[in-house]
Amino acid sequence: RKEVEQDPGPFNVPEGATVAFNCTYSNSASQSFFWYRQDCRKEPKLLMSVYSSGNEDGRFTAQLNRASQYISLLIRDSKLSDSATYLCVVLKVDSSYKLIFGSGTRLLVRP
Amino acid sequence: SQTIHQWPATLVQPVGSPLSLECTVEGTSNPNLYWYRQAAGRGLQLLFYSVGIGQISSEVPQNLSASRPQDRQFILSSKKLLLSDSGFYLCAWSVVGQRAPNYGYTFGSGTRLTVV
Repeated sequence: RKEVEQDPGPFNVPEGATVAFNCTYSNSASQSFFWYRQDCRKEPKLLMSVYSSGNEDGRFTAQLNRASQYISLLIRDSKLSDSATYLCVVLKVDSSYKLIFGSGTRLLVRP
Repeated sequence: SQTIHQWPATLVQPVGSPLSLECTVEGTSNPNLYWYRQAAGRGLQLLFYSVGIGQISSEVPQNLSASRPQDRQFILSSKKLLLSDSGFYLCAWSVVGQRAPNYGYTFGSGTRLTVV
């Protein structure tokens, strides 16, 4: 079983739509959670951290459910520029700090 | 400000040839350094990480090796490339001691390697 699992998509939505991505992780000892954004043929970039109480950054809302080991990302009022792959990421702490990446969910926002 | 440099951006190499990819970080000291690979249409796989000069940990057995000859330099190498080594190689750094929930990486712009 993968440590971080995501629906690969693609999610094809019109501009202005609300879209939600989900992610599950297998290690209950995971401490921190993130969403990264990766544009085609580019490096991933941090979109937002995911806090236990849930957090919002503009049109983006992240939620964490530790009991279910489930993370979500909600994007409201989708823009064409939101088209990208969204990576769910979990911090694994053993001998060092390591980020474990999901395979990503692809979002296509159409005019 | 901190920056991370990776080169080359693209590389086409024949099977059996050697490989050397370099990553350097500026503006910080003693960073944690990481090499990831992303195969076409797949997620990022952690290959190596380093917490200091000469300290390399390997996450998966493979045809590759890594070295950290200087504090802010991380090198990925292979003596003989395989077709399966093709992919997008990303170097990343993080601040030692940075604590959750703000812990995060900064990635270099990556090297797209095609083994032919």
